[in-house]
Formats: sequence, C-alpha cells, structure tokens
Amino acid sequence: QKEVEQNSGPLSVPEGAIASLNCTYSDRGSQSFFWYRQYSGKSPELIMFIYSNGDKEDGRFTAQLNKASQYVSLLIRDSQPSDSATYLCAVIPPGSNDYKLSFGAGTTVTVRA
Amino acid sequence: AAGVIQSPRHLIKEKRETATLKCYPIPRHDTVYWYQQGPGQDPQFLISFYEKMQSDKGSIPDRFSAQQFSDYHSELNMSSLELGDSALYFCASSLFPDQLEAFFGQGTRLTVV
Repeated sequence: QKEVEQNSGPLSVPEGAIASLNCTYSDRGSQSFFWYRQYSGKSPELIMFIYSNGDKEDGRFTAQLNKASQYVSLLIRDSQPSDSATYLCAVIPPGSNDYKLSFGAGTTVTVRA
Repeated sequence: AAGVIQSPRHLIKEKRETATLKCYPIPRHDTVYWYQQGPGQDPQFLISFYEKMQSDKGSIPDRFSAQQFSDYHSELNMSSLELGDSALYFCASSLFPDQLEAFFGQGTRLTVV
C-alpha cells in the first residue's frame, strides 16, 4: 500500500470553476503534507504545504488537512488553463532522517477554456 | 532567486555504460535528495545526503551510488545501465531542519538504448 493515495483523474473543470483534489495517507503518524504541481516532462513545483488541522490559503490555492480522517485536499479557485497539470500529494514518512518525500500517483487536471 | 541546478539536462547512454548526474543545490541548502521518475509514474525517492553524509536511502539499485561533496553539490553515479533505468532523475534540496520545503531542479532525462 502506498503511503499516499490520490485519484489519478483526469479531473476536468471549466475555466473559472473550483478544482478539488483529494489525498489520503496511511500512516497516522505523518505530520507534514505537500502539494506539488508538475507539468509534463518538467520538475515538480511546490504549491504549498500544511501540517496543522484546518485550512491554509495561498492566493487561489487552499490546502485542507483533517488528521482524524487522514485526509488532505487542495482547492484551486478560479481555475485557469495554465493550471492544467498533474498535482502530486506528498508526505514526509514518519521516522525519516530528513525531509524526503513519499508521493502519491498524482491527479491530472484539465481546465477547459 | 537561485534554484537547484542539474546537469546534464539530457543524456543518452547504451546498455551497460556508466552515467554521472550532477546536482548543485540552492545556496545555503545543506540537504540533497535524489528521485527517479519513470514514464507515467510518481517520483520515487532514491537517496539523500545531509552535511555530506548519507541521510536516508530508498529504492536505489546497488548499481547506483551517490555522494555529496564539500561544496554541497551531489553526484549520482549509475553503472551497468539497463533499459529500465530510462527515466527523469530529479534532485531536490532543502535547508534541514529549519525548512520543510524541498525545491526541485529541472531534472536530467536519461535514455538508455
């Protein structure tokens, strides 16, 4: 079982709509959670990270963490065609010696103009 | 702002050859992580270094080795290359333990023929 599970999609949303991405994790001891955006053939780009229960907002992006349900989500408001990419959820596995990341399989998002 | 620099960007090798990938972290960052991403896959953690010492080890084949040098740059050495080693190889860096965020380089696309 992967440490992080995501729906692979594709998730198709119209321009201007809200895209909602979900991620669950298996180890209740996990503390820090990350969302990366990756365009095809490019490197992962950090969108934001969260480690406290609740919401964290950064511009059009909101991350939500629910540790009781072991659930992390990312909302993209006012979706733009440039948001079309694969979104990777990642966690630092408990017991790590550093901040290495374990990634989910990614959710592919397509924003329709 | 300075980013993580990887070289070369593209590399074509024949089976059984050797390849060396280089990574120059963001200035002041002391930790380097290597990831392998196969086609359609999520990035898989290979190995990491903190202050020039191996910090953590993932699914890195015995044919691969890596090190971090006194200037904090890192090299991933891959020997006896196999067709299955064809992938994107990413290096990421962070300032451990002060900052959770890891930032990725542009990657090296290795093709083994």
